[in-house]
Amino acid sequence: GAVVSQHPSRVICKSGTSVKIECRSLDFQATTMFWYRQFPKKSLMLMATSNEGSKATYEQGVEKDKFLINHASLTLSTLTVTSAHPEDSSFYICSARGAGEVNEQFFGPGTRLTVL
Amino acid sequence: GQNIDQPTEMTATEGAIVQINCTYQTSGFNGLFWYQQHAGEAPTFLSYNVLDGLEEKGRFSSFLSRSKGYSYLLLKELQMKDSASYLCAVLDSNYQLIWGAGTKLIIKP
Repeated sequence: GAVVSQHPSRVICKSGTSVKIECRSLDFQATTMFWYRQFPKKSLMLMATSNEGSKATYEQGVEKDKFLINHASLTLSTLTVTSAHPEDSSFYICSARGAGEVNEQFFGPGTRLTVL
Repeated sequence: GQNIDQPTEMTATEGAIVQINCTYQTSGFNGLFWYQQHAGEAPTFLSYNVLDGLEEKGRFSSFLSRSKGYSYLLLKELQMKDSASYLCAVLDSNYQLIWGAGTKLIIKP
């Protein structure tokens, strides 16, 4: 199956700093990438959908200026958490979908963010 | 609104069979997914149903009834490694995945 990687897998940062998370599709071209957030014992919450070369579409309640998403190429999307605060601590997961593949999303391994 | 319901937690015995149910109400339907998620890891794909009926894949089977808005995931010959959360997700008319909260499955020896 298709492989999606995320980097870093874990990050600990101080409050007020910015953190960038990378999501890469390794063996296919991802025309659409999704960014999710998951709190402990809760389901996935879609934050935003990004299509290559265009601005991301954010879900209601997600601050686009705080969670900057860039999908500059067909194999890379980045999520930058700006001015991180402890409440931003969470498990962030990306998924990717190829052109013509409207049904299946392939998930990255996730990034555990802890803001002190 | 859109809604996916599944039990919060289930317990089963190693070697036994367990059925995890999922009911849904969504704006449109383009298929239903089951994912397995171990603690601290991302979800992994188990099955996809878009037509009514049963899809069997090894020890796991998934059933769909579109008229009833209902699906189940059947796990046979349970192993300890099957202890995980099982997520039901529906692809709506906009091809967005709507997620259930997940069912935590606990396997006892």
